[in-house]
Amino acid sequence: DSGVTQTPKHLITATGQRVTLRCSPRSGDLSVYWYQQSLDQGLQFLIQYYNGEERAKGNILERFSAQQFPDLHSELNLSSLELGDSALYFCASSPQGTGVDEQYFGPGTRLTVT
Amino acid sequence: AQSVAQPEDQVNVAEGNPLTVKCTYSVSGNPYLFWYVQYPNRGLQFLLKYITGDNLVKGSYGFEAEFNKSQTSFHLKKPSALVSDSALYFCAVRDGNYGQNFVFGPGTRLSVLP
Repeated sequence: DSGVTQTPKHLITATGQRVTLRCSPRSGDLSVYWYQQSLDQGLQFLIQYYNGEERAKGNILERFSAQQFPDLHSELNLSSLELGDSALYFCASSPQGTGVDEQYFGPGTRLTVT
Repeated sequence: AQSVAQPEDQVNVAEGNPLTVKCTYSVSGNPYLFWYVQYPNRGLQFLLKYITGDNLVKGSYGFEAEFNKSQTSFHLKKPSALVSDSALYFCAVRDGNYGQNFVFGPGTRLSVLP
């Protein structure tokens, strides 16, 4: 158990809908990362937050947004969902969010868009 | 932009034999290199990292990796494979410039045969 929690575990929704994925980092970690894992794209870095501020941005679509709250939990919002958004979404956390930190991954949220 | 290649989709090795999972990278600055392992239906787990210093890095579960700057490689090794090592292995790189994204390789599936 990494100490990172993600809810929900599974999510099934229809095209065009909006969903919110939630992540709680390990106790004491200030940085949160979001990743998308799909069979055809592999593991794609989406976005990183450090202590409430956006720190790095990867291949995140404009339909997706994220934020980190004062209690350090983070939410990833996915809107206008398409079939291709079906994937496993991972959250990870690290102590300081610098490039030298290893990341601790949550168990993931499996999103199925029908 | 940084990139990571894992030239083998699949590596098969007999239990007790040494294993190598290959990784090559490309960055403009100094590389921060990581190996992660993913077991079925689980999040990624950190194995080891190279930031600076000794080129041979030791990590969890008896794994080690050697940083080779001239060959831009960071191959993962273990002297004696276990069946329980069977999993998906990811190499990741972050450019030493602060704020750059993490890039993960496509993953290599390791199968250790009894």
